[in-house]
Amino acid sequence: EAQVTQNPRYLITVTGKKLTVTCSQNMNHEYMSWYRQDPGLGLRQIYYSMNVEVTDKGDVPEGYKVSRKEKRNFPLILESPSPNQTSLYFCASSSLSGANVLTFGAGSRLTVL
Amino acid sequence: QQQVKQSPQSLIVQKGGISIINCAYENTAFDYFPWYQQFPGKGPALLIAIRPDVSEKKEGRFTISFNKSAKQFSLHIMDSQPGDSATYFCAAGASGYALNFGKGTSLLVTP
Repeated sequence: EAQVTQNPRYLITVTGKKLTVTCSQNMNHEYMSWYRQDPGLGLRQIYYSMNVEVTDKGDVPEGYKVSRKEKRNFPLILESPSPNQTSLYFCASSSLSGANVLTFGAGSRLTVL
Repeated sequence: QQQVKQSPQSLIVQKGGISIINCAYENTAFDYFPWYQQFPGKGPALLIAIRPDVSEKKEGRFTISFNKSAKQFSLHIMDSQPGDSATYFCAAGASGYALNFGKGTSLLVTP
């Protein structure tokens, strides 16, 4: 089944404790992206990647890092999480040809205390 | 600066009624306008999309109306059902992946 898989789905952590949210897709998509969803603010893009070793900032990149060492994986790294990073995070992927439809993962709900 | 403005933020419709969600965009370079549907606990999924060469696209009970001159587009859900209760996001972009999303509309269809 074609899908985007995120882990963990739920995480409670404390301020300053580094964490990584993994994202993997099995559709051989070139494009991958991270969003955060907050009430009243909708979906805001954090970082995106057009292909392996090519990443760029989205609208709200502060406090986050990403890497794209393999085509299928695009982890989101919070080096020193803060409470304002408490949010619902989505990874998405798309091909760069054809229909270009964004496929989203099921989401990762992160709480930073 | 928000490039896509969506309204209303929330909407309550009776079963069988018509749900209407509106969006406006600024950038005339945008040429792809999708709507995503999100159920609780799930990621958004593409519902329907339109390109500016047509003014309307219909798929079942879901219709996008597009007004290029006004830079506006809307989603109409005919004969709304409780199963349509979800959050709906409009988006706009120059491709299917580089999208600017609206803030979302929470739709509740009451029995």
